[in-house]
Amino acid sequence: ETGVTQTPRHLVMGMTNKKSLKCEQHLGHNAMYWYKQSAKKPLELMFVYNFKEQTENNSVPSRFSPECPNSSHLFLHLHTLQPEDSALYLCASSPEWGGDTEAFFGQGTRLTVV
Amino acid sequence: AQKITQTQPGMFVQEKEAVTLDCTYDTSDPSYGLFWYKQPSSGEMIFLIYQGSYDQQNATEGRYSLNFQKARKSANLVISASQLGDSAMYFCAMRHNAGNMLTFGGGTRLMVKP
Repeated sequence: ETGVTQTPRHLVMGMTNKKSLKCEQHLGHNAMYWYKQSAKKPLELMFVYNFKEQTENNSVPSRFSPECPNSSHLFLHLHTLQPEDSALYLCASSPEWGGDTEAFFGQGTRLTVV
Repeated sequence: AQKITQTQPGMFVQEKEAVTLDCTYDTSDPSYGLFWYKQPSSGEMIFLIYQGSYDQQNATEGRYSLNFQKARKSANLVISASQLGDSAMYFCAMRHNAGNMLTFGGGTRLMVKP
């Protein structure tokens, strides 16, 4: 069982909808990440939070809005998405920023924009 | 810029045989870490093995070993005694920039034949 939990697992939304993805970890980690995995493309880092502070925004469009209220929770708010935003969105966490440790991933939310 | 290349989009291996998944990388950072992840159809990215750029010995974890050739900038994953449950996507990734951001390769789909 993964230590990083993502909900929902599947989401279908229209282009005018507003929805949020949730990620939760109780591993005591201080860094959390959002990745996008599109078909036939490498995983793309979207956002990084370290101790609740955003440290990286990898040129992500503003229709994706992250929120990190505490070290255990990370949200990705979605609004006016495009069909090309359909992908698997993976959340990850790691014990610390800059250490030789692996990131732990959730099972992802498979998003379909119609 | 950092880059990870996995040249094998798909591979077959007979059950109980060994298989090598290729990974080459490009970085100008003297310190970096290399990771391999497994992604089954459920979507979760499962950490397999880690190799630090200054590690003298190749990493091993059970049936997984990493053939690290620093001069060639390659970090191939070797899976011994393949099992049916090894069928999945495998991603090579590199940590860089003194943070814990991972750059991923395009992945290799491994299919184990009974």
